[in-house]
Amino acid sequence: GEDVEQSLFLSVREGDSSVINCTYTDSSSTYLYWYKQEPGAGLQLLTYIFSNMDMKQDQRLTVLLNKKDKHLSLRIADTQTGDSAIYFCAESGGGSYIPTFGRGTSLIVHP
Amino acid sequence: SAVISQKPSRDICQRGTSLTIQCQVDSQVTMMFWYRQQPGQSLTLIATANQGSEATYESGFVIDKFPISRPNLTFSTLTVSNMSPEDSSIYLCSVQGANTEAFFGQGTRLTVV
Repeated sequence: GEDVEQSLFLSVREGDSSVINCTYTDSSSTYLYWYKQEPGAGLQLLTYIFSNMDMKQDQRLTVLLNKKDKHLSLRIADTQTGDSAIYFCAESGGGSYIPTFGRGTSLIVHP
Repeated sequence: SAVISQKPSRDICQRGTSLTIQCQVDSQVTMMFWYRQQPGQSLTLIATANQGSEATYESGFVIDKFPISRPNLTFSTLTVSNMSPEDSSIYLCSVQGANTEAFFGQGTRLTVV
């Protein structure tokens, strides 16, 4: 079945850029998503990218997609303490409309 | 996007009891989804709830343990029955957007003691 992998932790200094990486196995993925989960909250959709795109930028967020390598990344510029959260990568497609989620990357931003 | 209200937001329950979680959406949707999120784990889909029909359960989840109601196009409930400490988890209600993206409620954090 489909699989989505992420590293579990990332620690960055405030003001630096954060890059969270994700790999997936389903070559027929149509959409790829990034979600943010703050403590005690549900998942908030941050951004998504179609599989025929290489890059999508939205303010401080940049999503890069390497479809050949099935690699997705989320770059957060000028990382702030409020960006501390768990970030989930997800993909859907290939006949399934239900997203498959990774285990989440816990981003810790320290002064 | 959809606004999803889920309640309770958290609860501590005795083992052997049941808890019903409610999910209200601000628009009519065909399908509603229930997920479980265990600590440090990915989201696991429990079932898909369509209005007017029985819910479709994923492998490892059964109706007797997780009965679901879907009385109309904006509301659903998930019951966690005969709870044990292993059921301690976050339970999330979700609906789908136009690009198959998932929108979530704030979740119900359940602790079974």
